[in-house]
Amino acid sequence: DAKTTQPNSMESNEEEPVHLPCNHSTISGTDYIHWYRQLPSQGPEYVIHGLTSNVNNRMASLAIAEDRKSSTLILHRATLRDAAVYYCILTQGGSEKLVFGKGTKLTVNP
Amino acid sequence: KAGVTQTPRYLIKTRGQQVTLSCSPISGHRSVSWYQQTPGQGLQFLFEYFSETQRNKGNFPGRFSGRQFSNSRSEMNVSTLELGDSALYLCASSLARLTGTTDTQYFGPGTRLTVL
Repeated sequence: DAKTTQPNSMESNEEEPVHLPCNHSTISGTDYIHWYRQLPSQGPEYVIHGLTSNVNNRMASLAIAEDRKSSTLILHRATLRDAAVYYCILTQGGSEKLVFGKGTKLTVNP
Repeated sequence: KAGVTQTPRYLIKTRGQQVTLSCSPISGHRSVSWYQQTPGQGLQFLFEYFSETQRNKGNFPGRFSGRQFSNSRSEMNVSTLELGDSALYLCASSLARLTGTTDTQYFGPGTRLTVL
């Protein structure tokens, strides 16, 4: 399973943008980059995923480096509800398995 | 659409006993995966079932087993419980459409197992 590296924790202020980095230098050509987050006392929830191009959805944006060795999850305006542990995960087709690392614990200050 | 449900939500057992946890996936989802979450090891993949067959397995001892029924509902069983089995057990379901990547996983709230 390809590995990802994320900072242990990050802090942000409410209504400011947040950029959560992820390094995945051993990514293969067929690996997709997925982001999940886990709010306190809940199961993880899907945030966004992509392969090569930048992606946007109602929750966040995903910026993928040209060499695909790193990516950044962007929360455009952080709210208190965005305080969670964010996981960056590489996945391959044919498997529904997610390999979670330690993730980044995001604290949002009011 | 109803989300993934897990029963029971909380469970207390003693060492040596066995336990069965249940997971009902989102309607139409064919794949069910199980994860164990502990403070020390984080989230770890246990196994995945698709069309009543175990398709993928994590690195856990044989005391951990599971099955999937024809309606996609799944159960996991842990025999001869140990103190270290105390954890949050999460179930996730997905459509498993084989689109070239892992399909979006929808997680349930988990079952909190305490082994005394």
